[in-house]
Formats: sequence, structure tokens, C-alpha cells
Amino acid sequence: QQPVQSPQAVILREGEDAVINCSSSKALYSVHWYRQKHGEAPVFLMILLKGGEQKGHDKISASFNEKKQQSSLYLTASQLSYSGTYFCGTASSLSNDYKLSFGAGTTVTVRA
Amino acid sequence: NAGVTQTPKFRILKIGQSMTLQCTQDMNHNYMYWYRQDPGMGLKLIYYSVGAGITDKGEVPNGYNVSRSTTEDFPLRLELAAPSQTSVYFCASRTGGSNEKLFFGSGTQLSVL
Repeated sequence: QQPVQSPQAVILREGEDAVINCSSSKALYSVHWYRQKHGEAPVFLMILLKGGEQKGHDKISASFNEKKQQSSLYLTASQLSYSGTYFCGTASSLSNDYKLSFGAGTTVTVRA
Repeated sequence: NAGVTQTPKFRILKIGQSMTLQCTQDMNHNYMYWYRQDPGMGLKLIYYSVGAGITDKGEVPNGYNVSRSTTEDFPLRLELAAPSQTSVYFCASRTGGSNEKLFFGSGTQLSVL
């Protein structure tokens, strides 16, 4: 079952922050985050594993709340290069970790 | 090191025609995936494979078939193409395990007219 992402779209000015949420109806083992530019393949950002860890990548970070079956991606001090569509991908359990389902995506537009 | 290679990049099919989308990876990855992405939409899993000779259905398998005779290759077959199969198709692979990222191919844009 595919995870649900919110919001569908967000428009930012350079330097502003945003949060993208990803939730699942199933217990999660891991959450992946990818960014896709128009006409290109998705590019890997980070993976969070069961355990509630938080990760960071430059000024993009994410958290994983396994009890709530949710993950959030934080865009801090956004740059023009952050524009694109962000997807979360989820694996529901260790025993079934090979099946990775993606959400519908969140389109982020950063303006000067 | 080429990574994941998809061919062709673009293709136009007539309704009822068949074709095979090719996917090859040179990273010795066990797990391979086919996703489709409709305009403005997310990625939907069509089929996946956890190793040579092992395949399984994803979320939207109807109208497609796959095979995995080698570790490197994971072709996707469309039989009797329909307009609803107009989409961008991405092949992806990874070593294995939920803590391993996906490597994506550059995609195949398919139009069925």
C-alpha cells in the first residue's frame, strides 16, 4: 500500500523553510526520500530506519516516528536548487523489505 | 561503471502492439524493480525481483510481464498495448535490504496511440 504525502505542493522564497510529511497505514521498517527534477530520474536523499532516528544532508533533514508510522522531511533555508518533486518510499517490515512503495510526491518550488 | 541502463529512451506504440523495455545493471544488485510514473503523479510499482529466476507482482502488474534469467537483466514486456499504459517507466536496482538506496535508470517514455 502506498504511503500518503502532504502537502501536494508548496511554494517558497529562498531562505524559507518547509516540512513534507509521509504517513503509512502499515508498520514501517524504513523510509526513503528522493528528489526528482523535471524530466529526470529520482535522486536519492536519505534513508531512515526503524528506531526513530533523524538524519541530515546539508540543510535537508528528516525524522522517522515509527510509533506514528510517519516520516517528515525538513527543508531549511531553502535554495533554488531545492526545487523539484520529493517522494517518500516505504518498506513495511523487515521480512518484506524488498517491496518499496512510493507516495504521490510533493512539488516544491523555490523562487528568488 | 554504467549503473542502470534502460532502452529505448522513447517509444511510440500503436494500440494492440507489443514491446519489451530493456533494463540492465552492472552493479551485481540482487533486487530490481520496474515503476511507472504517469504525468504529475508518483511512482507505482509494477514488478520486482529479488534475484535471478524470482519475480513478484507490485501494485499495478496488469498488462505487463517480466522475467529475470540473469542478475544483470530485468526486461519488462507489454502485451497488447493500451492507451492507459502511456507513461514513463523507470527501472531501479539495489543490493538488498531496506537500508540500501535505489539506483534508477534514466527512464523510458512510452506513448500508446
